[in-house]
Amino acid sequence: RKEVEQDPGPFNVPEGATVAFNCTYSNSASQSFFWYRQDCRKEPKLLMSVYSSGNEDGRFTAQLNRASQYISLLIRDSKLSDSATYLCVVSNDYKLSFGAGTTVTVRA
Amino acid sequence: NAGVTQTPKFQVLKTGQSMTLQCAQDMNHNSMYWYRQDPGMGLRLIYYSASEGTTDKGEVPNGYNVSRLNKREFSLRLESAAPSQTSVYFCASSRSDPGANVLTFGAGSRLTVL
Repeated sequence: RKEVEQDPGPFNVPEGATVAFNCTYSNSASQSFFWYRQDCRKEPKLLMSVYSSGNEDGRFTAQLNRASQYISLLIRDSKLSDSATYLCVVSNDYKLSFGAGTTVTVRA
Repeated sequence: NAGVTQTPKFQVLKTGQSMTLQCAQDMNHNSMYWYRQDPGMGLRLIYYSASEGTTDKGEVPNGYNVSRLNKREFSLRLESAAPSQTSVYFCASSRSDPGANVLTFGAGSRLTVL
């Protein structure tokens, strides 16, 4: 079983829509959680950390459910510029595990 | 502020050839990493260096060697390239333990082994 699993999508949504997707992780001892964004043929960049109580950064909301071992990302009022692949990253001590990514395409 | 710089950006090799991917960071980070990214898979850690003078194997180290030349530079060497090493390689750095800090990635090096 993969340590981090994501629905690859693609999620194809119109501008202004809300899109949400999850990531599940297998190691219950995981300590830190992140969402990275990767544009086509570019490097991953940190979108946001995910805190136990959930957190927002503008139009982006991240949630953590330790009991069910998943994290989620919700994007409100989608923009064309939100089209990207979103990578779920889970940390256990020094070790980071990356999901394969969820692709979101926002259409005009 | 350049961040993390990788060279070359593209390389085509024949099976059995060797090459070195170079990486340098100017953020005074202690830790540096080499990952590979293949379609449908998450980034996989090849080697990492928690601090200058130390290196450790990651998840997929076979066929690779690394050198932490100084605090700024961390190189990845393929001694005898194989088609299975066709991939996109990313160098990254962080202040310390990546669980506590975020990774800053280089732009990637696309390697094709024929």
